[in-house]
Amino acid sequence: NAGVTQTPKFQVLKTGQSMTLQCAQDMNHNSMYWYRQDPGMGLRLIYYSASEGTTDKGEVPNGYNVSRLNKREFSLRLESAAPSQTSVYFCASSERLGASSYEQYFGPGTRLTVT
Amino acid sequence: QKEVEQNSGPLSVPEGAIASLNCTYSDRGSQSFFWYRQYSGKSPELIMFIYSNGDKEDGRFTAQLNKASQYVSLLIRDSQPSDSATYLCAVNTNSGNTPLVFGKGTRLSVIA
Repeated sequence: NAGVTQTPKFQVLKTGQSMTLQCAQDMNHNSMYWYRQDPGMGLRLIYYSASEGTTDKGEVPNGYNVSRLNKREFSLRLESAAPSQTSVYFCASSERLGASSYEQYFGPGTRLTVT
Repeated sequence: QKEVEQNSGPLSVPEGAIASLNCTYSDRGSQSFFWYRQYSGKSPELIMFIYSNGDKEDGRFTAQLNKASQYVSLLIRDSQPSDSATYLCAVNTNSGNTPLVFGKGTRLSVIA
């Protein structure tokens, strides 16, 4: 039982390049999330998917797109990377959105640098 | 905009002391409250959750909730150097099916 997995672990991009961050969970969770974490800024929600087939914007969606490929997988795409997108990206999942005590499980993170 | 506020720290405590971490939230409709620990370079992991007023104890950790004051805290008794980490408070309104709202975290340093 791997939990939440993310690929790649590290990535360096040049400004304007595109890439997709992959996330998968094997806990049969309905809800999945993408966060970015910058020093002093805490975790900021980029997009989330309450259930398979749905996606919604979070706090900082600009410059990103997402795809909930199936119940297990939720990908994050940067179409044209900018230095401001240099960050650590975390994927997370939970059994359900909005339920009172359902824990969010986090993946190990992807460290992205845009030069 | 629902907000969760934490003192960024660093909070420094000597080994063996009680560390007290505080969190306030703006949405009175908030229903459940989570404390995550994040070691440097690692991902957050859940250590406690609470949704009733009062105290909830788990080993050396105690979560305290006061909904009237919109305040939740985490006490760590007999602090150890291994407790040095950033502690994130997260709040779930449980209304309208919205994601957790995270505070920016408090960095705790336990000095041996």
